[in-house]
Amino acid sequence: GQQLNQSPQSMFIQEGEDVSMNCTSSSIFNTWLWYKQDPGEGPVLLIALYKAGELTSNGRLTAQFGITRKDSFLNISASIPSDVGIYFCAGGIYNQGGKLIFGQGTELSVKP
Amino acid sequence: DVKVTQSSRYLVKRTGEKVFLECVQDMDHENMFWYRQDPGLGLRLIYFSYDVKMKEKGDIPEGYSVSREKKERFSLILESASTNQTSMYLCASSLDRGNEKLFFGSGTQLSVL
Repeated sequence: GQQLNQSPQSMFIQEGEDVSMNCTSSSIFNTWLWYKQDPGEGPVLLIALYKAGELTSNGRLTAQFGITRKDSFLNISASIPSDVGIYFCAGGIYNQGGKLIFGQGTELSVKP
Repeated sequence: DVKVTQSSRYLVKRTGEKVFLECVQDMDHENMFWYRQDPGLGLRLIYFSYDVKMKEKGDIPEGYSVSREKKERFSLILESASTNQTSMYLCASSLDRGNEKLFFGSGTQLSVL
């Protein structure tokens, strides 16, 4: 089946640093989504991307939908302690309404 | 805001028991999903439903079944729990087939002893 490779698996950074993580796939997706999971909670949607080449920001977060439709990245600028959590990328296909393929997750730790 | 509610946050069961995980959403969403989360593996789809009384297998359906008798409720059933089903179970919903945005519940951490 389809798989997403997400990297890095974990990151330990200092508060104020920028963060970058990415996802790659051998298959094409029509939609890329990025979720964040706080400890003890379910994932929450951060950014959704719908067009190849699309670059979208949400506060300190920026994500891009790769031109080939096989990859996406998420950047977090000037990290703060509440950025701690697990970040997941997910790929979707048209008209499958939430039947997503998820990456393995990137666990982010921020040292004050 | 969409609210997806899972009935239990933590559950401990014995091998061979029949286990029911319940999920309710309050925003009249058409689609509901059950994912399983394991460290290093991300989220994997177990079963999903695009309509009442309808169900489809996801990527890892073995050992599980589901029930959707009402639009707002989607139940995951472990017919005979095994230790390899110890995991975090996440329920999610989305508006309809044209909408990929998933809304998740807080999860149920199931331990099978």
